[in-house]
This record gives sequence, structure tokens and C-alpha cells, in this order.
Amino acid sequence: GAVVSQHPSWVICKSGTSVKIECRSLDFQATTMFWYRQFPKQSLMLMATSNEGSKATYEQGVEKDKFLINHASLTLSTLTVTSAHPEDSSFYICSAPASGRAYEQYFGPGTRLTVT
Amino acid sequence: AQSVTQLGSHVSVSEGALVLLRCNYSSSVPPYLFWYVQYPNQGLQLLLKYTTGATLVKGINGFEAEFKKSETSFHLTKPSAHMSDAAEYFCAVSDQPGNQFYFGTGTSLTVIP
Repeated sequence: GAVVSQHPSWVICKSGTSVKIECRSLDFQATTMFWYRQFPKQSLMLMATSNEGSKATYEQGVEKDKFLINHASLTLSTLTVTSAHPEDSSFYICSAPASGRAYEQYFGPGTRLTVT
Repeated sequence: AQSVTQLGSHVSVSEGALVLLRCNYSSSVPPYLFWYVQYPNQGLQLLLKYTTGATLVKGINGFEAEFKKSETSFHLTKPSAHMSDAAEYFCAVSDQPGNQFYFGTGTSLTVIP
């Protein structure tokens, strides 16, 4: 079946640095990808919708200048956390609508970000 | 707007007992409904989904769920709990193909030996 991968699976960075997280659809094309954030013991909250070839759409309360999203190809979306702070530590998960079954989403395995 | 409510953030059952995880949704259009399981530090694994057709859907690992429109519910059940079922379970709803998912707050299932 279709797979969505994320890289890295976990990352530790120092406060003030930037971190890039990649989300790839491995055997299908995705014009749209979604980025979610999950804090410990909490649910997934949508951060933004990544659109291939155009600007991302951010949810209310999500800083677009801090969470930069680039969807440069039909198989890759990147999320860059700029000037990371400890409160940005979270589990970041991407998803993409399944090709041919758009009501279904394929979720990536997630990226654990820890900012020290 | 869509929303999902999962009653009970923590559920404990004995091994071999019935598992019942509750999910109620709010949707202005016919919903697409999903249950996912998440093990610690891992991504989401699809258990089952309802899109159209039969309201009782069967998923992996012996789980099933029934879509009840009149009750706006999509409760997850399993007749006999196994130790390996201990995990976090999320109910999710989508209103249109390709749209974002709205997740419930999750239910942590503990299985007591």
C-alpha cells in the first residue's frame, strides 16, 4: 500500500536553531499534504495544509513565519521550524490523501522534535 | 465545522474482556469516520473506516465499529481484549475527500492481565 515517510524520525536541536522535517509520499503523488502537531498525551492538531506549487494554508494561531512549509514537488513537503524554542518540542506528523481514495489519508510515522 | 468527542480519556479492561471505546461526532455533512491506533512514539495506524455502505465495519486486529447516524456515534469495540491492544486510540472525522481530518482527544486503553 501507499506509504508516507518522514525524515528525520527524531531530532534534538538547540534553542534558536532551525530544523527541517521532510514528508514524502513514496509511491503516489500528493498535491496536498497536511501537517499536524501532537503534544504529549494530547490529540493531533492540524497546523497547516501544504499545497504543491502554492502557498500553504495555516490554521489560526499557527505562526507562518515560524513554521515554514514548502511543497516543491508532488512527492515532497517540508516543514521548517525556525528559531526553535523548547515549547516547540512536539511530535510532528504529516499526512497525504490516498491516491484514488481521497477520503482516506496516509499518515507518516511522525518526527519527534526536542528543543533544548 | 466538524468535531469529535471521545468519552473517557482512559479506559481499563481485563484481558479477555470486551473493549468499548466511545466516539461521537458532529458534522454538517455525511461524515467519513476513522479509528486509528497509536503506540508510544509511533505514527498512526488505521484500524477501520466508514465511508459509505454497511454501517458495521470490521477492521484489523478484531476491532469493529458501527456508524449510527441517529446517535452521531461511531463506537469502537472488540469482543476480547489482548495485552497487545494497550495503546492510544483516536477517532477522526472528515467531511470531504482530500480534506483534513479532525481528531478526538484520544482514549488510552490499558489491558490488565
